Amino acid sequence: EPEVTQTPSHQVTQMGQEVILRCVPISNHLYFYWYRQILGQKVEFLVSFYNNEISEKSEIFDDQFSVERPDGSNFTLKIRSTKLEDSAMYFCASCAGERSYEQYFGPGTRLTVT
Amino acid sequence: QQPVQSPQAVILREGEDAVINCSSSKALYSVHWYRQKHGEAPVFLMILLKGGEQKGHDKISASFNEKKQQSSLYLTASQLSYSGTYFCGTQRGYSGGGADGLTFGKGTHLIIQP
Repeated sequence: EPEVTQTPSHQVTQMGQEVILRCVPISNHLYFYWYRQILGQKVEFLVSFYNNEISEKSEIFDDQFSVERPDGSNFTLKIRSTKLEDSAMYFCASCAGERSYEQYFGPGTRLTVT
Repeated sequence: QQPVQSPQAVILREGEDAVINCSSSKALYSVHWYRQKHGEAPVFLMILLKGGEQKGHDKISASFNEKKQQSSLYLTASQLSYSGTYFCGTQRGYSGGGADGLTFGKGTHLIIQP
């Protein structure tokens, strides 16, 4: 069964460094998302992406965040200058669209900022 | 504005039934239900679109009352594998309709004991 994959599973970085989190959405899905979950808290929406552009973003998704689909399969989230409060689990999700709106989540990348 | 889930936690014996509620103060386009086990990604359970449709599979079903902006998840004859945190995610349907990002509640912790 097709699934969303994410790499790396765990990323440790120092405050102020740039990180890139990678995702491969389910093939033929049209909508892609990034969510984050701080330990023990709820899942929070960051951004959605469709047709090679951002379609929606939350107030969390400020100028230090960016997303890109560099090729036909990968979907990336870049954090330019990480802060301690960026430590969280980051989930990528994808949705087929066209009247099929289930969002399937990847296994996540645990980001630890020290 | 995030949906409100109730109860916050519930402990059941195997075989008992559970109901988890999700309500919003705003008009909703859809409600999505997920189960998350500790350290894992949220797993999609079902989606309910505007129209009061009741859906289900196996012993898990859900309803959506769009007049009251409430959804309920019904777990019948609970099994040990049902343990986890249940999240509802809602969409207002503004930008992408069913492809909008999800706004999640804080979750309901369900513990099933043998």
